[in-house]
Amino acid sequence: GQSLEQPSEVTAVEGAIVQINCTYQTSGFYGLSWYQQHDGGAPTFLSYNALDGLEETGRFSSFLSRSDSYGYLLLQELQMKDSASYFCAVGRDDKIIFGKGTRLHILP
Amino acid sequence: DTAVSQTPKYLVTQMGNDKSIKCEQNLGHDTMYWYKQDSKKFLKIMFSYNNKELIINETVPNRFSPKSPDKAHLNLHINSLELGDSAVYFCASSSRDTLDNEQFFGPGTRLTVL
Repeated sequence: GQSLEQPSEVTAVEGAIVQINCTYQTSGFYGLSWYQQHDGGAPTFLSYNALDGLEETGRFSSFLSRSDSYGYLLLQELQMKDSASYFCAVGRDDKIIFGKGTRLHILP
Repeated sequence: DTAVSQTPKYLVTQMGNDKSIKCEQNLGHDTMYWYKQDSKKFLKIMFSYNNKELIINETVPNRFSPKSPDKAHLNLHINSLELGDSAVYFCASSSRDTLDNEQFFGPGTRLTVL
C-alpha cells in the first residue's frame, strides 16, 4: 500500500519562509508532486520532483530525497495569498495518491 | 476557455435519490479521474479512465457508476444517495505523455445529501 504523512497545520508570518514536510511509504514510486488548494477552490499543480534534489519555481521550491522517502515544499517571502492547503502526492502507475494536506495559516 | 469543467457546481438532494455529475475537458488529455474530497479535506481517487476504458476503481461502492462516452467526457452517476456521500467531487484529467502526470482539476461539485 501507500501512505503519505504531512503536518495538518503550519503557521507562519507574512514575509517569512516556511517548510512543509512530507514522508511517504509506497511501492512503485515515480515522483513527488505538490498541489495548492485555496478554500472553495480546486487543487492546482505546483511542482514535481522525479529525482533527488531541489526544484525551484519562483518563491516556491520542492525537495526530494528518495533514499529517505522524504520531501518538502519551501515557500519564501510569504504572502497572505499563500494561505491555503498544500498536498504532497506520489505518482504510481496510472494514478496519484494524495496526502491529507497541510493547512498553512499566515499571520500579518 | 475552461480546461476542465463540471456541472453542476452545487447539488443538494434527498437520501435515496439518484443524481449525475458531468465532466468535460478540452485539453486533449487521454486520462480522466474522479476524486472525492470529504469534510476533512482528504482527497481520494475514486476512478480513472484512459481513452474511455476504466483502469482504476478504488473499491468504490457500486452505487457509483462512471461513464465515459468519449475521451473528453467522464460523467459520474450515483444511485441511492446516502448521507455519507456528501462531499466535494472533483473531476481531473492528465496526459500520459508527461512525466509528472500533472492533474488538471475541474472546479468541483459540492454534493449535499439531506
